[in-house]
Amino acid sequence: GAVVSQHPSWVICKSGTSVKIECRSLDFQATTMFWYRQFPKQSLMLMATSNEGSKATYEQGVEKDKFLINHASLTLSTLTVTSAHPEDSSFYICSARDVQGDTEAFFGQGTRLTVV
Amino acid sequence: LAKTTQPISMDSYEGQEVNITCSHNNIATNDYITWYQQFPSQGPRFIIQGYKTKVTNEVASLFIPADRKSSTLSLPRVSLSDTAVYYCLVDWMDSSYKLIFGSGTRLLVRP
Repeated sequence: GAVVSQHPSWVICKSGTSVKIECRSLDFQATTMFWYRQFPKQSLMLMATSNEGSKATYEQGVEKDKFLINHASLTLSTLTVTSAHPEDSSFYICSARDVQGDTEAFFGQGTRLTVV
Repeated sequence: LAKTTQPISMDSYEGQEVNITCSHNNIATNDYITWYQQFPSQGPRFIIQGYKTKVTNEVASLFIPADRKSSTLSLPRVSLSDTAVYYCLVDWMDSSYKLIFGSGTRLLVRP
């Protein structure tokens, strides 16, 4: 089946630095990708919709200047957490669906971000 | 966006059949019902999807009544490895559709 790959699987960074997370669709094209954040014992919370070739759409309460999203191609979206702080520590998950839209959404394996 | 409601948690024992019911009273005509499974520190994994009546695959069955306002995920003969969180979502099969997750059901399978 279709595969969505995230990299890295985990990352530890110092407070104040920036971290980039990649999300790739390996065997299909995706004009839209989605970024979620999940805190321990909680559900996935949608952060933003990444649109190929255009600006991302952010959910209410998500700081667009802090969470930079770039969707430069039909198979790659990146999420950059800028000036990370300990409260940004979380599990970040991306998802994508084939551009034809007639299949279920596929999710990456997630990225565990720890800010120290 | 249709909202779904599921039990927060369920307990079961190995070998039993587990049925998790989800309510989606505001489901739209074009919406599908999709269930995902999530293990700790992993992304959600697709289990099954349906529009109406009954769908069965190698891991689960999905029962959807005629009014489509609810659905039931059935896991036959669960094992310890089925301990996970199960999410029910309504899904409009379009590449730009935003999947909104509810609280999910935390299933614990005991030996």
